[in-house]
Amino acid sequence: KNQVEQSPQSLIILEGKNCTLQCNYTVSPFSNLRWYKQDTGRGPVSLTIMTFSENTKSNGRYTATLDADTKQSSLHITASQLSDSASYICVVSGGTGGFKTIFGAGTRLFVKA
Amino acid sequence: NAGVTQTPKFQVLKTGQSMTLQCAQDMNHNSMYWYRQDPGMGLRLIYYSASEGTTDKGEVPNGYNVSRLNKREFSLRLESAAPSQTSVYFCASSDQGQSTEAFFGQGTRLTVV
Repeated sequence: KNQVEQSPQSLIILEGKNCTLQCNYTVSPFSNLRWYKQDTGRGPVSLTIMTFSENTKSNGRYTATLDADTKQSSLHITASQLSDSASYICVVSGGTGGFKTIFGAGTRLFVKA
Repeated sequence: NAGVTQTPKFQVLKTGQSMTLQCAQDMNHNSMYWYRQDPGMGLRLIYYSASEGTTDKGEVPNGYNVSRLNKREFSLRLESAAPSQTSVYFCASSDQGQSTEAFFGQGTRLTVV
């Protein structure tokens, strides 16, 4: 069964600290993996998209990594800011018997002053 | 550019009532989608339209209908609302298919009592 699992469910960090969010997936064959940021009461906004051949991609203070062999991805946030408080959603596309896009349940990040 | 615009932002319905959620995009995208987001779960695809004039069922289509009115507009209709349809609904669009970067509207918070 194609699945996308994210951890932790929620995370609290102090402003200025770094953090890493995890995404494990079983979608196969793999097409691409995306990370989205969703502020409270808003729709998700794309941060990065990675294909099979890419193992790292950055967008400002956000760096995503991909290990297609172990089917794992991480999103690293550097020097966190209060505005980073949001849900971060991992999305994986691929699969057999009909192309699928599967959304993870997200990690809720709280950045405190 | 407004991106993806959804209306209404909030709605309360009584069981059995009907309503239509409106969505419009101004990015000239071919594909449009309707998702629902429930607590603790990833976004789930209700219906999508790969291109103007076509619509297809997603993962959770029961109780919903859609209309791709033109390239810009994609509406979602609940014919007889049920409490199980209480959720946050997101419309999204992308240039080519689900595996490409999607742009989301702000969401409609629907409560069915």
